[in-house]
Amino acid sequence: GAVVSQHPSRVICKSGTSVKIECRSLDFQATTMFWYRQFPKQSLMLMATSNEGSKATYEQGVEKDKFLINHASLTLSTLTVTSAHPEDSSFYICSAAPDGRSAQHFGDGTRLSIL
Amino acid sequence: QQQVKQSPQSLIVQKGGISIINCAYENTAFDYFPWYQQFPGKGPALLIAIRPDVSEKKEGRFTISFNKSAKQFSLHIMDSQPGDSATYFCAARGGGAQKLVFGQGTRLTINP
Repeated sequence: GAVVSQHPSRVICKSGTSVKIECRSLDFQATTMFWYRQFPKQSLMLMATSNEGSKATYEQGVEKDKFLINHASLTLSTLTVTSAHPEDSSFYICSAAPDGRSAQHFGDGTRLSIL
Repeated sequence: QQQVKQSPQSLIVQKGGISIINCAYENTAFDYFPWYQQFPGKGPALLIAIRPDVSEKKEGRFTISFNKSAKQFSLHIMDSQPGDSATYFCAARGGGAQKLVFGQGTRLTINP
């Protein structure tokens, strides 16, 4: 149980385009989802907390107009990287939890490469 | 106060040995301490977690030891196998916050 699916697993696109990443909880309803960014050989950096039906809470230093988060249902959250540039290239990972006391379960990440 | 400090940064253990990774925290409001295992190109997978009302939790070859007074917790991997080679992250959560605070990670290599 507690499977989180992330799609796509890898995307390569040109500078200036927008990229959407999906995060789905497959066998549970997730009131809260989290989006992380991970640089090579580094820890996970929380970007934002997404709550179903409300605006996401962004961590300090994360541009909310750059990284648009939508959590329209209890099983789906999306992260859109708008007008992506090479410095946005990274490994993006989502996680989901049924509620605030439960364990977080992670997707397999999306490798984003901006040319 | 929100930091979780993890050590060592990298660790090499012989097959069959015990791997030990340590974490320390400052925030006494933390009340949930999970460990995650991450393989290259994959997301972290929950290994084992503990709450501060117990000092030890064991699941198979994996054991968490928790010292509330010292604000430290550690992961022990018994009979370490080459398939255990991965990066391990400790984390903490509490004080009403839903988000996890992660340690810096430990790259574990098990030599055959």
